[in-house]
Amino acid sequence: ELKVEQNPLFLSMQEGKNYTIYCNYSTTSDRLYWYRQDPGKSLESLFVLLSNGAVKQEGRLMASLDTKARLSTLHITAAVHDLSATYFCAGLLSGYALNFGKGTSLLVTP
Amino acid sequence: DVKVTQSSRYLVKRTGEKVFLECVQDMDHENMFWYRQDPGLGLRLIYFSYDVKMKEKGDIPEGYSVSREKKERFSLILESASTNQTSMYLCASTVPPGRGLLNTEAFFGQGTRLTVV
Repeated sequence: ELKVEQNPLFLSMQEGKNYTIYCNYSTTSDRLYWYRQDPGKSLESLFVLLSNGAVKQEGRLMASLDTKARLSTLHITAAVHDLSATYFCAGLLSGYALNFGKGTSLLVTP
Repeated sequence: DVKVTQSSRYLVKRTGEKVFLECVQDMDHENMFWYRQDPGLGLRLIYFSYDVKMKEKGDIPEGYSVSREKKERFSLILESASTNQTSMYLCASTVPPGRGLLNTEAFFGQGTRLTVV
């Protein structure tokens, strides 16, 4: 069974600062996903990472995957208020469903 | 550009009613999933399906059943709704691993907020 752990679970950061969210998973995962969720809304797909060393960037968010360490990171550069949301990582193993971390609730303050 | 559609955004049902939540995807995905999301508990898997008429129990299947008669449609059924099934229900779909490196995203529907009174 694939277990996914995220940290931190809560993050308050100032605008303009950088920070990283970590996602550890327990066994080999075929894919690693990152999602964003705004209050009361569904999950919005941010990134899909497929192979070791994969790096994807969109705006101020950059996700990377290290399959040997079983670690994915979501790096936030120069945070702005609009990035306030809950971020989830999820792993997908063949034959199984998406396994989610608990989510990181991010608040960006002025 | 709609990919995964859930039949209702908000639903209010009475205790004991049989409730159907429908999910339709237009991407020809084999894998479909039903989750519920509750504050402090994250996303919990109820059932998933990897092919027509195939289903697997997730972490919390009690009180639920599913139906997948067609590839594009995955229905969640609450046999006899109870107040503890008040929750946000989320449907998702994706292609299974091993199908190549394209179209690997897993998309979610807009969610159904179900209240059982």
